[in-house]
Amino acid sequence: AQSVTQPDIHITVSEGASLELRCNYSYGATPYLFWYVQSPGQGLQLLLKYFSGDTLVQGIKGFEAEFKRSQSSFNLRKPSVHWSDAAEYFCAVVGRRALTFGSGTRLQVQP
Amino acid sequence: SQTIHQWPATLVQPVGSPLSLECTVEGTSNPNLYWYRQAAGRGLQLLFYSVGIGQISSEVPQNLSASRPQDRQFILSSKKLLLSDSGFYLCAWQIGAGTQYFGPGTRLLVL
Repeated sequence: AQSVTQPDIHITVSEGASLELRCNYSYGATPYLFWYVQSPGQGLQLLLKYFSGDTLVQGIKGFEAEFKRSQSSFNLRKPSVHWSDAAEYFCAVVGRRALTFGSGTRLQVQP
Repeated sequence: SQTIHQWPATLVQPVGSPLSLECTVEGTSNPNLYWYRQAAGRGLQLLFYSVGIGQISSEVPQNLSASRPQDRQFILSSKKLLLSDSGFYLCAWQIGAGTQYFGPGTRLLVL
């Protein structure tokens, strides 16, 4: 069965610093991968997705992610974090019936 | 464009009372529909999914049920709520093997 691991529960970065959120997946075939962001009390907003093709995917709000098959990873990156990026981030992979989500990484941004 | 609505936004219910949460989608036809639950500080757990009217698949045994009386309407119900039913309930829609789009969620507190 598919699974997603987000090893970092909490990350704190300073505003303007670079960011990398880790995601590792387990899936037998070529995965469809997603990153979503959730602000407190809100639904999930799609940041970016990977279905095939170029392994470096650009998303909204200046985020990008790189699919690395050899490492079974799909890490999310941003070169310069803004205070408004503080939220919870979820990595997900398409499973047999629906998305399988990681447990999430909560990002705090220090001024 | 497609939009997804959930109501109510917030609900406080006593233990043992019934529950009905509604999700409606606009701007698309024949979507796959999903109910997820997000417990405090945790990831998303798939509860139900539906590929068509009257077709419901349950992912986890529980005292909740789901129904799809119309193509773009998905209802989550319970006859008797438990304390453990508290959480944030998210509805999502998807066309084919594409991206899932989430509603704003309903926060349920069972006392």
